[in-house]
Amino acid sequence: AQKITQTQPGMFVQEKEAVTLDCTYDTSDQSYGLFWYKQPSSGEMIFLIYQGSYDEQNATEGRYSLNFQKARKSANLVISASQLGDSAMYFCAMSLVSGGYQKVTFGIGTKLQVIP
Amino acid sequence: EAQVTQNPRYLITVTGKKLTVTCSQNMNHEYMSWYRQDPGLGLRQIYYSMNVEVTDKGDVPEGYKVSRKEKRNFPLILESPSPNQTSLYFCASSLDIPTGANVLTFGAGSRLTVL
Repeated sequence: AQKITQTQPGMFVQEKEAVTLDCTYDTSDQSYGLFWYKQPSSGEMIFLIYQGSYDEQNATEGRYSLNFQKARKSANLVISASQLGDSAMYFCAMSLVSGGYQKVTFGIGTKLQVIP
Repeated sequence: EAQVTQNPRYLITVTGKKLTVTCSQNMNHEYMSWYRQDPGLGLRQIYYSMNVEVTDKGDVPEGYKVSRKEKRNFPLILESPSPNQTSLYFCASSLDIPTGANVLTFGAGSRLTVL
């Protein structure tokens, strides 16, 4: 069974500093997708970044990058130059497609607070 | 505008009173799914559907039913709600991409309280 582990319940970062949110995953499948979603206090879920298991380069989207280390089964999110608007819950997720079915598993999330 | 619409957004009900949370998407997505979000537990998948008339259980299906009679709609049914189903519910949809590169588009969430 697939599993996502986020071990940082809460984190603080100074505005304009970089921060890394940890995510490890467990699966025996070779083909999978890894995602990060942001949930601000308003409650909506916002897609940030995607990394495919066969992608050799780390994904980047603006200030977000995904540090993908396949052998260690980690998919950490790096936010550069933090802004006050980055304060939110962040969820790591994995998508598996197997036998014609697709399952998505989320971690428990990390609450990030950006300090002015 | 491409979106997932779920209703109601807020609902307070009593134990045992059947309710349905509707979910509709206008993006022609094959894949639709329901999640519940609880503090300290993250999002847990309840049911998902790969296409019309194709549904399967997620990690926490007990007490819930779903149906997928049309591609755009995926209602979540609580036949006899109990207080432990008090939660924030999200519907989401995506394209069916074999590699797993299926970015989910979420609805705004439905906060359900069962007394």
